Amino acid sequence: NAGVTQTPKFRVLKTGQSMTLLCAQDMNHEYMYWYRQDPGMGLRLIHYSVGEGTTAKGEVPDGYNVSRLKKQNFLLGLESAAPSQTSVYFCASSYSSRDYISRQYFGPGTRLTVT
Amino acid sequence: AQSVTQLDSHVSVSEGTPVLLRCNYSSSYSPSLFWYVQHPNKGLQLLLKYTSAATLVKGINGFEAEFKKSETSFHLTKPSAHMSDAAEYFCVVSEASGNTGKLIFGQGTTLQVKP
Repeated sequence: NAGVTQTPKFRVLKTGQSMTLLCAQDMNHEYMYWYRQDPGMGLRLIHYSVGEGTTAKGEVPDGYNVSRLKKQNFLLGLESAAPSQTSVYFCASSYSSRDYISRQYFGPGTRLTVT
Repeated sequence: AQSVTQLDSHVSVSEGTPVLLRCNYSSSYSPSLFWYVQHPNKGLQLLLKYTSAATLVKGINGFEAEFKKSETSFHLTKPSAHMSDAAEYFCVVSEASGNTGKLIFGQGTTLQVKP
């Protein structure tokens, strides 16, 4: 099991450019999440998905879009990057059943710099 | 609404001395609480998890945490710090409503271990 993987690990963008971050999990988890981590602020939820074909907004969704076309993949898009989106991005996944949601498993992170 | 407050942004201890990282939470429901650790330039690793089975929770690497409902606290302790414990620690509460598995992170505590 690779667990949760993220592509790319590092990226530098110019203001206004677009990019897509890919998260993949091989644990057959229903739930997937995208967070951003900024100094002194912990992790903040951007978007999440509770199943294939579904997405929902988290705490800080503005400037980001997501898609969950396949159960194992969760894509995070930046259509027009801004310096305020310089951050470390983490993907996570968790297993769920009717009465139980497991702990979240985190990917290694993507460090994005927007100049 | 649920929230988490980590009372210290930075804690410094000497190797071999006890560690105490403090966390208070606010929740209308019986919460699920977690401690995650993040080593420099790494992803997040689960240390331990409280889900109402027992108030004293033992985790990996000698860490434990005690859930105190009357004090709304979930402090993390370790009897004897090791150099490898130097990292950032996050206290986390799971959102109870909506069956989304969403996590709410504290701001983080950086643990420094001096030789």
